[in-house]
Amino acid sequence: EVQLVQSGPEVKKPGESLNISCKGSGYAFAGYWIGWVRQPPGKGLEWMALIYPDDSDIKYNPSFQGQVAISADKSTNTAYLQWSSLKASDSAIYYCARVYGAHTIDYWGQGTLVTVSS
Amino acid sequence: QPALTQPASVSGSPGQSISISCTGTSSDVGTYNLVSWFQQHPGIAPKVIIYEVNKRPSGISNRFSGSKSGNTASLTISGLQAEDEADYYCYSYTGSRTVGVFGGGTKLTVL
Repeated sequence: EVQLVQSGPEVKKPGESLNISCKGSGYAFAGYWIGWVRQPPGKGLEWMALIYPDDSDIKYNPSFQGQVAISADKSTNTAYLQWSSLKASDSAIYYCARVYGAHTIDYWGQGTLVTVSS
Repeated sequence: QPALTQPASVSGSPGQSISISCTGTSSDVGTYNLVSWFQQHPGIAPKVIIYEVNKRPSGISNRFSGSKSGNTASLTISGLQAEDEADYYCYSYTGSRTVGVFGGGTKLTVL
């Protein structure tokens, strides 16, 4: 059974760094793209970035490039989303998703709630 | 990347059929038969209900169907049930150099 299990909720202050994770199981992790999707409170879904774990090829939504970093460790079947300096506007639920062929989302993680507040 | 355009809300009575449109451009919906639809209930991760315009994953009711004409994709839900009340998002591939794009979402109310 394909599963994407994300790390738990985070509460941070503006300016702090953060790393959230998404661990895949039940499939060949390195051979499928993993994407990160942001959902601000009460709002819609936004693609942030995609990574192919086998060679770490990355595609960013231009709106998020430079704001976050995406990485993956195929030895532990885990993808990461990282911030070096959080802002209040980063408060949202973040979902990871498996993307086959870089074009079709077929599985979602359960989401990680990030709250940034002073 | 501008979002795909969806109506903010639609509603219908149990047993009726409704359709949700998703309008993009010739750079996304119009070029690729790679449109997906997701259902999201409050507090839960989205779930794929349609992929590649009109294909249903295993376990998804055949009351859900998808289609596309030009730059507009559509999701039709027939025989509305109370459990269909949720937010629905469309998504399109936008080419190998970019990430895809979501629609703004449509809230379905079952009256």
